[in-house]
Amino acid sequence: GQNIDQPTEMTATEGAIVQINCTYQTSGFNGLFWYQQHAGEAPTFLSYNVLDGLEEKGRFSSFLSRSKGYSYLLLKELQMKDSASYLCAARGGYQKVTFGTGTKLQVIP
Amino acid sequence: GAGVSQSPRYKVAKRGQDVALRCDPISGHVSLFWYQQALGQGPEFLTYFQNEAQLDKSGLPSDRFFAERPEGSVSTLKIQRTQQEDSAVYLCASSLVDRGRNEQYFGPGTRLTVT
Repeated sequence: GQNIDQPTEMTATEGAIVQINCTYQTSGFNGLFWYQQHAGEAPTFLSYNVLDGLEEKGRFSSFLSRSKGYSYLLLKELQMKDSASYLCAARGGYQKVTFGTGTKLQVIP
Repeated sequence: GAGVSQSPRYKVAKRGQDVALRCDPISGHVSLFWYQQALGQGPEFLTYFQNEAQLDKSGLPSDRFFAERPEGSVSTLKIQRTQQEDSAVYLCASSLVDRGRNEQYFGPGTRLTVT
């Protein structure tokens, strides 16, 4: 089976840095995704990791450790518009993608 | 270009009614996924198509749920004899292929309310 764990809620200050952690257990592993979902909207793709290490894309970076079943999403220079839910999702051996429950991030002034 | 579209955007059904939810994926996308998302939760996998073949339907919660994609493009998720616990947002996503960096593009969802 597949299991994804991530914190339910986080609060951070505008301009700061926040790290959202995710641990996963999958039957097989074919990549780890992060999606952003604003309230009432569809999820949108942020990042993809399949090899160990850090992938950087502008203000957003994602890290993966396959041996530890661990990933994090790092958001720098937080903006108010970054307030959203952040979904960690793991693709298993049969291409099925399992999503976590999401981390609701609130950015405060 | 056009993204994934879903219709209707909102559906209210009385308990026991049948509903049909439509998904138009991005043209040329081979893979199509259906998810159910309850309030405050992440999307829960329902089923997956590669072209017209339904390769995984392990997430369908009961035999009241049925999905098809007869010509490998448009897909329909049908729920028979709806129950209150079926109330959720139903998301459709498509991807070019289902491996590598190919992310899933999500539609806006259909919010189903069963009264």
